[in-house]
Amino acid sequence: AQKITQTQPGMFVQEKEAVTLDCTYDTSDQSYGLFWYKQPSSGEMIFLIYQGSYDEQNATEGRYSLNFQKARKSANLVISASQLGDSAMYFCAMSPNTGGFKTIFGAGTRLFVKA
Amino acid sequence: EAEVAQSPRYKITEKSQAVAFWCDPISGHATLYWYRQILGQGPELLVQFQDESVVDDSQLPKDRFSAERLKGVDSTLKIQPAELGDSAMYLCASSATSVKDTQYFGPGTRLTVL
Repeated sequence: AQKITQTQPGMFVQEKEAVTLDCTYDTSDQSYGLFWYKQPSSGEMIFLIYQGSYDEQNATEGRYSLNFQKARKSANLVISASQLGDSAMYFCAMSPNTGGFKTIFGAGTRLFVKA
Repeated sequence: EAEVAQSPRYKITEKSQAVAFWCDPISGHATLYWYRQILGQGPELLVQFQDESVVDDSQLPKDRFSAERLKGVDSTLKIQPAELGDSAMYLCASSATSVKDTQYFGPGTRLTVL
């Protein structure tokens, strides 16, 4: 069965510092995509970054990077130079590239950025 | 910038009433998703459309929920009758072809059932 685990219910980080949000996944598929989304208190889900299972390079998008370790089945999100506006819920998600392509989400990590 | 539109943004209803949510995906996006997000949890897929066809509705409570995308563009999700446990955020998302493509989400409809 497919599963996403985010073990950190809440995280605190000082403004301007870097923070790592953990995500591990379980799948028997060989080809899949990994995503991170940000959900502010307003409720909308904002796409941050994507990593394909066959991508050799770790994905980066501005201040966001994904630390992908395929053998360990982990896809941690690193946010550099945290800003107050980064305070939000963060969700890790996985989509297999086979069958019905059903996406599953983790339970999320709430990030608090302190001034 | 193209966005996924949803309405209404908020809906309060009494149990046993019928409710309907509407979603208009990004133009040209063939795949449309409806998710339910209970407070404090991640989104859970209810139904996935590829054009006008249902690809996955395994988690849709079919005794009370229905979804359609008749012309392969906008979509409606209906609940009849609503129950207290249906209180949640209902999110719509779309992607260009399949989940190889990034899903873009609408603002959601927050449903409260009294």
